[in-house]
Amino acid sequence: EVQLVQSGAEVKKPGESLKISCKASGYTFTRNWIGWVRQMPGKGLEWMGIIFPGDSDTRYSPSFQGQVTISADKSISTAYLQWSSLKASDTALYYCARLSSSSGQGDYFDYWGRGTLVTVSS
Amino acid sequence: DIQMTQSPSSLSVSVGDRVTITCRASQGISTYLNWYQHKPGKAPNLLIYGGSSLQSGVPARFRGSGSGTDFTLTISSLQPEDFATYYCQQSYSIPHTFGQGTKLEMK
Repeated sequence: EVQLVQSGAEVKKPGESLKISCKASGYTFTRNWIGWVRQMPGKGLEWMGIIFPGDSDTRYSPSFQGQVTISADKSISTAYLQWSSLKASDTALYYCARLSSSSGQGDYFDYWGRGTLVTVSS
Repeated sequence: DIQMTQSPSSLSVSVGDRVTITCRASQGISTYLNWYQHKPGKAPNLLIYGGSSLQSGVPARFRGSGSGTDFTLTISSLQPEDFATYYCQQSYSIPHTFGQGTKLEMK
């Protein structure tokens, strides 16, 4: 059974750094891209970026490029999302999700983690 | 970025209703269009991929259609468990942008 288990909720102050995780199981981690999706309070879903754990190839949304870093450790089947200096506007629920593909039908997130709530407040 | 626009943003509906949600892309995306259902406190759930392919385990009352720029999600007979927010998403080009969501509310 495919599972994505995300790390627990975090409360941080502005300017602090943070790294949240997403541990995958039930499939070969290096064969699928993994993505991160943000949901700010009361808002919709925003695509942040994806990483291919096999070779760490990473693609970012322009909205998030330079704001976060996506990485993966294939030895422990875990993807990460990190910030070097948090802002109050980073307060949100962050989901990781596995990306799958079907020929001629594009890519889609077929398995999701339950989300990590990040609260940034002074 | 490709912009995805859903309509309506919210919909008051009753159990048994036929529900239609539309999604328009700012440029042609072939059939690279996905639909997700999202309930508060839960992970989003993939319903439809490739415009019209039903994800395994999703009830047949959910149907996706469309190509190019205009797409539709239809729920043939709304069930109590279908009250949620629905998002379209394009996977034609990165970033794979989502629509703003359509919330189904009880009439």
